[in-house]
Amino acid sequence: QVQLVQSGAEVKKPGASVKISCKASGYTFTKYGITWVRQAPGQGLEWMGWISPYNGYTYSAQKIKGRVTLTTDTSTTTAYMELRSLTSDDTALYFCARDDSSTWTDYWGQGTLVTVSS
Amino acid sequence: EIVLTQSPATLSLSPGERATLSCRASQSVSTYLAWYQLKPGQAPRLLIYNASNRATGIPVRFSGSGSGTDFALTISSLEPEDFAVYYCQHRFNWPEAFGPGTKVEVK
Repeated sequence: QVQLVQSGAEVKKPGASVKISCKASGYTFTKYGITWVRQAPGQGLEWMGWISPYNGYTYSAQKIKGRVTLTTDTSTTTAYMELRSLTSDDTALYFCARDDSSTWTDYWGQGTLVTVSS
Repeated sequence: EIVLTQSPATLSLSPGERATLSCRASQSVSTYLAWYQLKPGQAPRLLIYNASNRATGIPVRFSGSGSGTDFALTISSLEPEDFAVYYCQHRFNWPEAFGPGTKVEVK
């Protein structure tokens, strides 16, 4: 069965970086994109970006474009999202999702809580 | 960038009632619109994609309609587990975006 398993919760200080992993299984990793979404406490969903594991092409939201790096490792079927220069505004629950142009984001990871605090 | 607005912000209804949620895009997104259900501490659940297609395993009481700039999600008869926050999302072009959400609460 399709599964996306994310890495555990992180606590970071302002200015630090965080790298979240998303381990995919149960499907051909290179046939689907990976989308990243976050939800800050008490806020709505925010689309962060998308990556193609097939060719590495990415697109990120303008708001975080200079601070985020999306990558994949096809040998381990794992996607990564690294966010740098963290501020308290980056405190959020981060999700990865399998993304298909036909059926959208049909499977999601369980979420990774990132807390940025001094 | 395309901006999505949702109305109402909160919908107070009783189980068994019909819920109609609205999503409006700042410019046409054709039918590149999806609806998600979100409960606290859980991952978003895809309900509807391409405006009117139910995702796998989604009950028939959920339906989507619309095209261009105006869309609706209808829940024909609310079940207790349907009380949650609902978001629309477009993928007409990059960047994709979510609407601000509609909370469906128990009256």
